[in-house]
Amino acid sequence: EAGVTQSPTHLIKTRGQQATLRCSPISGHTSVYWYQQALGLGLQFLLWYDEGEERNRGNFPPRFSGRQFPNYSSELNVNALELEDSALYLCASSRTGTGTYEQYFGPGTRLTVT
Amino acid sequence: GDSVTQMEGPVTLSEEAFLTINCTYTATGYPSLFWYVQYPGEGLQLLLKATKADDKGSNKGFEATYRKETTSFHLEKGSVQVSDSAVYFCALKVPGGDNNDMRFGAGTRLTVKP
Repeated sequence: EAGVTQSPTHLIKTRGQQATLRCSPISGHTSVYWYQQALGLGLQFLLWYDEGEERNRGNFPPRFSGRQFPNYSSELNVNALELEDSALYLCASSRTGTGTYEQYFGPGTRLTVT
Repeated sequence: GDSVTQMEGPVTLSEEAFLTINCTYTATGYPSLFWYVQYPGEGLQLLLKATKADDKGSNKGFEATYRKETTSFHLEKGSVQVSDSAVYFCALKVPGGDNNDMRFGAGTRLTVKP
């Protein structure tokens, strides 16, 4: 079974530009989560999508947005990039329902803003 | 709100030493608890989990027991190896419904020296 995949692996942008990060969940998973992991820090929850809808959002400004497509893949967009947006962006997927469904993580996209 | 607190690192041990990484949680209900591991340059991998009180999760020589009375889920390993060097994250799944929202601790960096 293929794991969670993310692209690109690395992304270099300049301040003020827009970045688009992509994630494909494990087959059968309908939920996708996005996290930001800045250097030396823990995971900060960004967004949760399920069945094409945004279900929850972390404490990030509106320039962080995304969407989930009918095939459950997801895209994270970061507009008006700032230097402090440089981080590893991790995507995770899980089943949805009343069971205890752990999240499975992709390898991440390293975003560098110069 | 629901949260996880884990011991601050970094932790440096010699090969074959005993490892304990403390994790305590705060939750309004009965969460499921997880330990994830992040090797250098990679995403997070699920290490072990426990879904109810007194459950013991185990994997690759690591163990953690869900202690409701002390609201803890400490990670232990009897004899660490250099290959165990990584960042370890304690996490809980917010209880209730089909919400798979998770809360992660800040992470503990473990370095094992030969």
